[in-house]
Amino acid sequence: EVQLVESGGGLVQPGRSLRLSCTASGFTFGDYAMSWVRQAPGKGLEWVGFIRSKAYGGTTEYAASVKGRFTISRDDSKSIAYLQMNSLKTEDTAVYYCTRGRYSYGYWPELYFDYWGQGTLVTVSS
Amino acid sequence: DIQMTQSPSSVSASVGDRVTITCRASQGISSWLAWYQQKPGKAPKLLIYAASSLQSGVPSRFSGSGSGTDFTLTISSLQPEDFATYYCQQANSFPPPLTFGGGTKVEIK
Repeated sequence: EVQLVESGGGLVQPGRSLRLSCTASGFTFGDYAMSWVRQAPGKGLEWVGFIRSKAYGGTTEYAASVKGRFTISRDDSKSIAYLQMNSLKTEDTAVYYCTRGRYSYGYWPELYFDYWGQGTLVTVSS
Repeated sequence: DIQMTQSPSSVSASVGDRVTITCRASQGISSWLAWYQQKPGKAPKLLIYAASSLQSGVPSRFSGSGSGTDFTLTISSLQPEDFATYYCQQANSFPPPLTFGGGTKVEIK
């Protein structure tokens, strides 16, 4: 059974940092692109970024709203994806979901998110 | 960026009704479109990918159609468990960003 479990959320002050983890099981983690998607309270879904599988360089892409502040990485030996969030702003307050891309082939894959974690809440407030 | 516009933003319907939700892309996206269902406090669930392919385990009353800029999600006979919010998403990662529609809330009439 495919499972994605996020951890690391919590309350953090503006300008500080936080690292989220996504622990995967039930599939060959290294074969898939992994994405982060967030949802502010009462709002819609916003794609944050994704990391390619090592077969395609393990490189990353980001939304403009987080580029330069957030970094996605992966440890395929542990089946974990990370989201390092620096210089946090109040508008980063959201539930953060880790997702798997259904088709992860190619440098620019079609990303249909077939599995989602339960989400972890990040609250940025003083 | 490709903008995804859903309509309506909410719809009231009864059990057994046929419900149609539309999603329009600001530029052509071929068939690179997904539909998700989200219930309160839960993660979204993939229903349809590649505009019209039914994700494994999803009931056949859900169907998707369209290509280019105009897409439709249809629920042929609404069931009590279908009351939720539905999102479309353009899935072509080049160029970023991937984008979601604003959501359509399906409520009980």
